Amino acid sequence: EIVLTQSPGTLSLSPGERATLSCRASQSVSSSYLAWYQQKPGQAPRLLIYGASNRATGIPDRFSGSGSGTDFTLTISRLEPEDFAVYYCQQYGSSPTFGQGTKLEIK
Amino acid sequence: EVQLVQSGAEVKKPGESLKISCKGSGHSFNSYWIGWVRQMPGKGLEWMGIIYPGDSDTRYSPSFQGQVTISADKSISIAYLQWSSLKASDTAMYYCARSGAASYYFDYWGQGTPVTVSS
Repeated sequence: EIVLTQSPGTLSLSPGERATLSCRASQSVSSSYLAWYQQKPGQAPRLLIYGASNRATGIPDRFSGSGSGTDFTLTISRLEPEDFAVYYCQQYGSSPTFGQGTKLEIK
Repeated sequence: EVQLVQSGAEVKKPGESLKISCKGSGHSFNSYWIGWVRQMPGKGLEWMGIIYPGDSDTRYSPSFQGQVTISADKSISIAYLQWSSLKASDTAMYYCARSGAASYYFDYWGQGTPVTVSS
């Protein structure tokens, strides 16, 4: 099973700043089968990125994903107030797993 | 509009059985995988398993194999998650979600079904 480790656990930033979230896999993720989700309190997760760098339908272009192999990054270029939430990465190879999450909080 | 509507909250005792549901609409239910994700109180997401309603092909996470059963009735566009004997540790929110074409990421999610198991 591929273990995904997200860092940092909590990220404290202000609106307008740039956020960089990391997801590291214990072994190479095949074909860049890596997705990112956003979850707000009391809500279901929302797909942001799939295939490591493809934005899902309706996702603003301030969200971008990059990486390959074992190291992946979600970048939010300029934080909006609604972006403060928990973010999860997921590898969706043969036995999918999620990372433990990064909480993005207002500084 | 793609929608996944889950059954309501459940409160059960340890040892009881339970089956929760997820009804799809707005898409060809038979042609997309439907998966289940657990979120224990205050914790992260866990991928449980997935089913292809068209032929009932089912895959389980090793952590959940033998602990739950995933099924689907394609005639009424409903997927199910069931337990034969609940434990207190099954207390969690359970989400169903639709998998994108030929991949196991989830592009549409249900609203979640909270399950509480307590004596």
